[in-house]
Amino acid sequence: AQSVTQLGSHVSVSEGALVLLRCNYSSSVPPYLFWYVQYPNQGLQLLLKYTTGATLVKGINGFEAEFKKSETSFHLTKPSAHMSDAAEYFCAVRDSNSGYALNFGKGTSLLVTP
Amino acid sequence: DAGITQSPRYKITETGRQVTLMCHQTWSHSYMFWYRQDLGHGLRLIYYSAAADITDKGEVPDGYVVSRSKTENFPLTLESATRSQTSVYFCASTENSYNSPLHFGNGTRLTVT
Repeated sequence: AQSVTQLGSHVSVSEGALVLLRCNYSSSVPPYLFWYVQYPNQGLQLLLKYTTGATLVKGINGFEAEFKKSETSFHLTKPSAHMSDAAEYFCAVRDSNSGYALNFGKGTSLLVTP
Repeated sequence: DAGITQSPRYKITETGRQVTLMCHQTWSHSYMFWYRQDLGHGLRLIYYSAAADITDKGEVPDGYVVSRSKTENFPLTLESATRSQTSVYFCASTENSYNSPLHFGNGTRLTVT
């Protein structure tokens, strides 16, 4: 089955600094990868997705992610953090064994300090 | 407005009681899902449904029952609630495509005392 591992359960950055959230995947088939953001007491909101084609994917709120097959990675980045980026971030991969379900990583909590 | 609506948002129940969490979507998506979110575990799939009257188990189905008589509704029932089922429950839906993301409701926070 397809799975993802998020490295670092907590990441802290200063406002204006680079945000880097790490995600590695395991898949025997070409993966379909997603990043979601969750703000307190809310559901998950799609940031971006990788399906096929361009390996650099741009999402909402200035985030982007690069698919690197050689490294089995799909890290999320943002050049300059804003206070409003503080949230929980989840990487996910499509599970071919459960309909169109997604398998999620355990999440990374992003803290942005002034 | 189009989207997924979960109800209730918050629920407190006692051990042994039956409780049903509701999920309604307006997109007419074929696939619907129930996940639970627990600290340190991320989101885990409980059940999913490919269409009305077609359901299947996910990673953690024990203690839960689902039904789907209509495409737009996918209720989740805890037949005899246990404290280990205290969690935040999310319903989601998607189209029949590997490219399509899951769309999530705002969740139900369930506490079993």
